[in-house]
Parts: sequence; C-alpha cells; structure tokens
Amino acid sequence: DQQVKQNSPSLSVQEGRISILNCDYTNSMFDYFLWYKKYPAEGPTFLISISSIKDKNEDGRFTVFLNKSAKHLSLHIVPSQPGDSAVYFCAAIRGSQGNLIFGKGTKLSVKP
Amino acid sequence: EAGVVQSPRYKIIEKKQPVAFWCNPISGHNTLYWYLQNLGQGPELLIRYENEEAVDDSQLPKDRFSAERLKGVDSTLKIQPAELGDSAVYLCASSFHNTEAFFGQGTRLTVV
Repeated sequence: DQQVKQNSPSLSVQEGRISILNCDYTNSMFDYFLWYKKYPAEGPTFLISISSIKDKNEDGRFTVFLNKSAKHLSLHIVPSQPGDSAVYFCAAIRGSQGNLIFGKGTKLSVKP
Repeated sequence: EAGVVQSPRYKIIEKKQPVAFWCNPISGHNTLYWYLQNLGQGPELLIRYENEEAVDDSQLPKDRFSAERLKGVDSTLKIQPAELGDSAVYLCASSFHNTEAFFGQGTRLTVV
C-alpha cells in the first residue's frame, strides 16, 4: 500500500513556462514533506520542504504548496529551465521517529 | 563540507556470492538510512539507524541482508548470498535528528 503517490510518471514543459508536479499521500499523520531531485547516476538531492503547519514554502524558483484537507502537495517551478530536467521525488515523514517515505517519482523534461 | 560518501560506485557479482557496501555519513548526522532503488521506482527503506541503534529494520530481508553501524558513524550493508533480484541501486543517506536527509551517489549492484 503506497502511502505517497505520484500519479504522473512524466511531464514535459517548455522552457520558461511553469512546471507543476503533484503528490498525494494517504497517511494523515505525516507532518513534514520534502521534494528531491535526481539526475541519472546520482543520488537524490534535497530541493525544498514544508511543515504541515504551513501551506506554502518558497525558495527562489521553487514553491511547494500543501493542502492538508486534500492530502495533496505540489511543487511549482517558475520559470522552468532545461537544467531542471530530472526525476522529482516527493517524500513524507511522520514526526522525529518516523521513516522518510518516497513516491515513485515524476520525470520532468524541460524543452528549450 | 563533505557529503555522504558511498563505495563502491558499481559492483558486478555472480549470484550466490557475497557483497558489501560502505557508507560514511555527513559528520554530525546521527540518523543513517539505507535505501534500495529499483528502476522506475522511488527509494525504499531497508534500515534506519539512530546513532548505533537500528530503530527500524522491518523492511530488511534478514535471511540474506545484514547491516551494522559500529560507533554510530559509518555503516556497512551486506548481502549473502546475492540473488539476481538484488540488482538495484543501494543508497545511503544521513540526517540530523531525522530532518532533511542527504544522499550519497549510491552503489549500482548487478548480479549475474
């Protein structure tokens, strides 16, 4: 039973436009959410996070939105750049004693 | 600051042979994770350490997998004997008190 779901395996966006990556979760006890970016042959790198007490967190071109009632979060990248092309993983954690649980990832392609 | 270091980067072994992976976490990080990543999937937790204690090894196939984190610093993950289905990328990550986890580059294991 997947607790963190990324239902879109891939997304293609034109350079300069907005990329929106979506993530749903089933466990209402998750209280911290993270996005990771992964290039081929490298480990995932931390991108941005959000606590369940917030509904938005922004860092430069990256913004994460959290909708707790819908158990949904999204990552917005504006403007998208070709270097953003990678696999993006959504992850969630429950408290300080919980495990970091990942979705299956969404492959983003940003075309020049 | 050095990141999470894993070795080897690549390993090819015959089935039924043993194999070991090594991880040196970021200095000061008390939480250490071993994850398994299959192609097209997100990282799946194998074991999580808090200092030298394995606080969650429920997903570790204990008949063939073992791990240790002596002195609460670096860690070793072993498979004996390896099976064809063990071919995957093995990722190590560390964090400070179970917050954002930082990953190594991973070890790509191929069992033939």
